[in-house]
Amino acid sequence: AQKITQTQPGMFVQEKEAVTLDCTYDTSDPSYGLFWYKQPSSGEMIFLIYQGSYDQQNATEGRYSLNFQKARKSANLVISASQLGDSAMYFCAMREVATSGTYKYIFGTGTRLKVLA
Amino acid sequence: EAGVAQSPRYKIIEKRQSVAFWCNPISGHATLYWYQQILGQGPKLLIQFQNNGVVDDSQLPKDRFSAERLKGVDSTLKIQPAKLEDSAVYLCASSLVGARWETQYFGPGTRLLVL
Repeated sequence: AQKITQTQPGMFVQEKEAVTLDCTYDTSDPSYGLFWYKQPSSGEMIFLIYQGSYDQQNATEGRYSLNFQKARKSANLVISASQLGDSAMYFCAMREVATSGTYKYIFGTGTRLKVLA
Repeated sequence: EAGVAQSPRYKIIEKRQSVAFWCNPISGHATLYWYQQILGQGPKLLIQFQNNGVVDDSQLPKDRFSAERLKGVDSTLKIQPAKLEDSAVYLCASSLVGARWETQYFGPGTRLLVL
């Protein structure tokens, strides 16, 4: 079973509008972390935002916010006021504690976002 | 603060040849990861080091892939012999144990094409 599911292979959004990228996850571990990364065409993975499983409030970082619904096991990324530079692949990732006691990261398949002028 | 460095950025080889990638993590980061990212997919962890010890290599094809981090700093990933399906971007990442969120920071990646 997929541990991280991103159901939107591609999304379009008009410049200056908001867009939501979906992510659902599956874990039985009570302690976990959820991340979103941006990957432009250059290939580098850029960290955007983090949400811990015990965090009471939704994470926000500038124009990025994470809509965390624990009961639904979803961690959607909301980008407000989209810019042309936001066009990229976006990956949702989950961090669990591995049997070794260290952290283990699992990535989704990504959503390609295209911002239209 | 310098980011994660990787070299080369691009590599084209023929199948059955060998290739090596190098990664230098952010200074002080004890944890180092190597990921394989096939076109259209998310990164898949190949191997994870904590200092110079391996903590997870369960998805590393050990018959052809090897990796080392001898002094607990930089690392090399080797493929020998390469297959067509090894064409991918190889990403290196590092993280600081105990840091806020302990997030991973990625290098620019090495794009490998096997012909």
